[in-house]
Amino acid sequence: GAGVSQSPRYKVTKRGQDVALRCDPISGHVSLYWYRQALGQGPEFLTYFNYEAQQDKSGLPNDRFSAERPEGSISTLTIQRTEQRDSAMYRCASSFGLGTSGYNEQFFGPGTRLTVL
Amino acid sequence: GENVEQHPSTLSVQEGDSAVIKCTYSDSASNYFPWYKQELGKRPQLIIDIRSNVGEKKDQRIAVTLNKTAKHFSLHITETQPEDSAVYFCAAFLKGGSQGNLIFGKGTKLSVKP
Repeated sequence: GAGVSQSPRYKVTKRGQDVALRCDPISGHVSLYWYRQALGQGPEFLTYFNYEAQQDKSGLPNDRFSAERPEGSISTLTIQRTEQRDSAMYRCASSFGLGTSGYNEQFFGPGTRLTVL
Repeated sequence: GENVEQHPSTLSVQEGDSAVIKCTYSDSASNYFPWYKQELGKRPQLIIDIRSNVGEKKDQRIAVTLNKTAKHFSLHITETQPEDSAVYFCAAFLKGGSQGNLIFGKGTKLSVKP
């Protein structure tokens, strides 16, 4: 079946503009995660959802970043008043769920490359 | 919170040799340790994982070992091939409390020379 998809794949914006990044998880996956990955670095956790509930947003850098998943499927990561330091690859991942045994594999999307000029 | 250290940052081996990548974690409550391979321009993909109730796991040329007492785990690749060249990330998963997510190491760039 289809994997995790993200759109847009590339986004170039001017400093001060708002951007919305979309993630479409694998059908049936209840958990959805957002990461930021700088070049040459590992993914850095931002936030995650179980169904529509945001479980942990401790990784969001500041209050310009927010995320939602209103119907428990597609999620949007919004960055307001973008700054140059926000430039990075933003990846989402989904998993079937935490399950009773602890953890399920996270499947990553292709990412959105954000460039703030 | 959890912190994951990964070494080395780069590793170059000859085809056919073995490669070992090591990671340490800080939170003894972490209970799941996956390894991801990321080829240039591609998304990270899981190659092997291990849970805290197991000491070693093998899958063909790849193996992972876990030492809970020392809080470190390692990836072993035997008979390396050029297609093993990629960046490898270890991660630790801490369930419960305010965290339910993966904390990644900074990655190891593996180059396998023919």
